[in-house]
Amino acid sequence: SQQGEEDPQALSIQEGENATMNCSYKTSINNLQWYRQNSGRGLVHLILIRSNEREKHSGRLRVTLDTSKKSSSLLITASRAADTASYFCATVLNTGGFKTIFGAGTRLFVKA
Amino acid sequence: GAVVSQHPSRVICKSGTSVKIECRSLDFQATTMFWYRQFPKQSLMLMATSNEGSKATYEQGVEKDKFLINHASLTLSTLTVTSAHPEDSSFYICSAPYQGSRNEQFFGPGTRLTVL
Repeated sequence: SQQGEEDPQALSIQEGENATMNCSYKTSINNLQWYRQNSGRGLVHLILIRSNEREKHSGRLRVTLDTSKKSSSLLITASRAADTASYFCATVLNTGGFKTIFGAGTRLFVKA
Repeated sequence: GAVVSQHPSRVICKSGTSVKIECRSLDFQATTMFWYRQFPKQSLMLMATSNEGSKATYEQGVEKDKFLINHASLTLSTLTVTSAHPEDSSFYICSAPYQGSRNEQFFGPGTRLTVL
């Protein structure tokens, strides 16, 4: 069963604006990862943040993790039309077996 | 990075037939692989954990007799959808954890199954 909830479910912004997506989860995690999926395609791994980290950057991406609130956020700065995709958070459970549970996802549409 | 492949990428079959989907880790060994199902505009739902050398572990609500999983080697897991029905039409994705320091999973490109 899914354990992550994401909001918003859908987000439409203009090119150049920032996009923020949030994710909440329920149980203890080893790490949290964000993925992108273009329509009907496979997943692209974006960034991984470990449970003992609070913030991580990768290019135009910034991820935060608050384990006390069991939540994470993904910020995409200076968005581009090519960023249009669905974004999923995925939590790797702290069970030692790499079991990964996906959130519901946010569908981002960046208008040129 | 590590690569996971899936075959076929797309399959159309008649209701009642069985379909086999392969998941291969191309440049690393995977004692564990995961199978997900994704319906249109929805998230990935974990179906089962494929374990090399032992039985697969199925998530609650997933019929083990309908979705047969065989982890034949350290680089290959197969998912067979038996007696497929139209409601089994979905996007099936496998993943394999890369047991290095990054704890990262690598996902296959997915298989689009359409059951007529």
